[in-house]
Amino acid sequence: DAGVTQSPTHLIKTRGQQVTLRCSPKSGHDTVSWYQQALGQGPQFIFQYYEEEERQRGNFPDRFSGHQFPNYSSELNVNALLLGDSALYLCASSPATGAGEKLFFGSGTQLSVL
Amino acid sequence: QKEVEQNSGPLSVPEGAIASLNCTYSDRGSQSFFWYRQYSGKSPELIMFIYSNGDKEDGRFTAQLNKASQYVSLLIRDSQPSDSATYLCAVNSGGSYIPTFGRGTSLIVHP
Repeated sequence: DAGVTQSPTHLIKTRGQQVTLRCSPKSGHDTVSWYQQALGQGPQFIFQYYEEEERQRGNFPDRFSGHQFPNYSSELNVNALLLGDSALYLCASSPATGAGEKLFFGSGTQLSVL
Repeated sequence: QKEVEQNSGPLSVPEGAIASLNCTYSDRGSQSFFWYRQYSGKSPELIMFIYSNGDKEDGRFTAQLNKASQYVSLLIRDSQPSDSATYLCAVNSGGSYIPTFGRGTSLIVHP
């Protein structure tokens, strides 16, 4: 049973560039959430996707956008990268109901913006 | 603004001791409480959850919840060096499937 998979594992970009991160949820899960984790901090909620729609969004600017595909996989796009966007980006999947509060995290994408 | 507070540590305990990790939260409407373990350079992993006041035990782990005091804790008995990690407290408000995370407490178990 494959868990949550994320790609790429590491990424180096320069300010102003755009980046796309990808996530495939755990088998049987249909909800995908994205988190940003800065060094020494807890994960901060970016947004959640369910049924190909953004269901809820955290306090992040519009430069952060996403998408969910019919197979439940998801992408996180960040435009006009800033130095402060350097962080570990975590994807978490969960079932839509029942145990939906229990998150299963992928291994993350470490983004460095120079 | 819903807040979840944790002492960043590090909390250092000897092998075999009880490690006590604490978390407070600001939203009185919170209904679900979670502890995630995150090893250095890895992603968080859910290890405990609790919904009702009192204690919940799972192996060497015990989660304790006191909603009146807005306080949740995690006890790790017979601590092992392999328990050395950052422990993240996460709290859900009623009706939300989006937990708010604390910054985590770093635990070091030394032989």
